Amino acid sequence: DTGVSQDPRHKITKRGQNVTFRCDPISEHNRLYWYRQTLGQGPEFLTYFQNEAQLEKSRLLSDRFSAERPKGSFSTLEIQRTEQGDSAMYLCASSLDMRVGEQYFGPGTRLTVT
Amino acid sequence: TQLLEQSPQFLSIQEGENLTVYCNSSSVFSSLQWYRQEPGEGPVLLVTVVTGGEVKKLKRLTFQFGDARKDSSLHITAAQPGDTGLYLCAGGMKTSYDKVIFGPGTSLSVIP
Repeated sequence: DTGVSQDPRHKITKRGQNVTFRCDPISEHNRLYWYRQTLGQGPEFLTYFQNEAQLEKSRLLSDRFSAERPKGSFSTLEIQRTEQGDSAMYLCASSLDMRVGEQYFGPGTRLTVT
Repeated sequence: TQLLEQSPQFLSIQEGENLTVYCNSSSVFSSLQWYRQEPGEGPVLLVTVVTGGEVKKLKRLTFQFGDARKDSSLHITAAQPGDTGLYLCAGGMKTSYDKVIFGPGTSLSVIP
């Protein structure tokens, strides 16, 4: 296993379109996180899965955002009716049930909404 | 509200110099991580500290966790251009879920 992968690496879309990102975590990791990061800032928490259960969702996440992790393996993050303010780097991280915070990140998906 | 603050926000130094960056919070963490991130990539885990007062060394990098587990520091000796990047601290705590809070980062530039 070579680590966490994300697809696509870059996405350019027009305002109002829907986009979907995929994250494949490290295979034995049961915890999966999605973050959003803007330039010069640290990652901002979006949502958290433990196996297939979505246990926490940020209050900053509007109803246009939805995430799934079917069968506790890969995860998808969908943004509906994109807005320019959604432009950011979307990061996925996975971890084991051990030290909280010890996460392994994917390379991210850079979203640009025009 | 749990917040992690990092200082300085930006740091530009000459190759060979030493530096220290700081991570502070009013919250107590069960563990604290330091990550380094390069432009266009995801953060890469450098170290985890879990015990108050703990010191860990990774080659030229020395990490310290405060006695009260609320703060941490990262010291780099003889900085090299390859150390350039965004240094992020993150605090972990067991709540209703495995919560992780990230600081805003310190952007380090090492000039050859």
